[in-house]
Amino acid sequence: KAGVTQTPRYLIKTRGQQVTLSCSPISGHRSVSWYQQTPGQGLQFLFEYFSETQRNKGNFPGRFSGRQFSNSRSEMNVSTLELGDSALYLCASSLIFREKLFFGSGTQLSVL
Amino acid sequence: QQPVQSPQAVILREGEDAVINCSSSKALYSVHWYRQKHGEAPIFLMILLKGGEQKGHDKISASFNEKKQQSSLYLTASQLSYSGTYFCGTDHSSNTGKLIFGQGTTLQVKP
Repeated sequence: KAGVTQTPRYLIKTRGQQVTLSCSPISGHRSVSWYQQTPGQGLQFLFEYFSETQRNKGNFPGRFSGRQFSNSRSEMNVSTLELGDSALYLCASSLIFREKLFFGSGTQLSVL
Repeated sequence: QQPVQSPQAVILREGEDAVINCSSSKALYSVHWYRQKHGEAPIFLMILLKGGEQKGHDKISASFNEKKQQSSLYLTASQLSYSGTYFCGTDHSSNTGKLIFGQGTTLQVKP
């Protein structure tokens, strides 16, 4: 069974640009969560989706948005990038919410 | 709302034991534990539900004290492969999947 797939693996953008990250969960998993990981802040919760509905949202500005499609694949978008958005963005899937999370390898975003 | 982990870092020799604590200021419904090695994705270790449950596999176990709103991860007879950063994730509600992670505890096991 394939694991959680995140694309792209690395991304370099400049301030002011926008970016879209993609996450394909494990087949059959309906819950997808997104986390931002930085050395100083650890794993910060961004959002959680279940059956195309955003169930929870973390304390991030409105520049951070996401969605989930009918096949459970998810995307997150960051508009008007800032230097502080440089981080590893991790996606995790689970069968349903509250079950153990399976993490992808992440997308390393660098904002210059 | 972010749980507090202690210690922040620990260095062990192979065969020694370690305890990592995770404390929350809010009532807990469940606690997850994950381990992340450098450059890799976090890997699930275990989930504990409210009820004071203790779980374990191999030489890694954990407890959950609902009254104290804390969980502890126990690593006994540590092996080199135990090195990494350990995160606890806390869930404060019975009907959401919002998992909030602590800052992490870096564990280094030396030969």
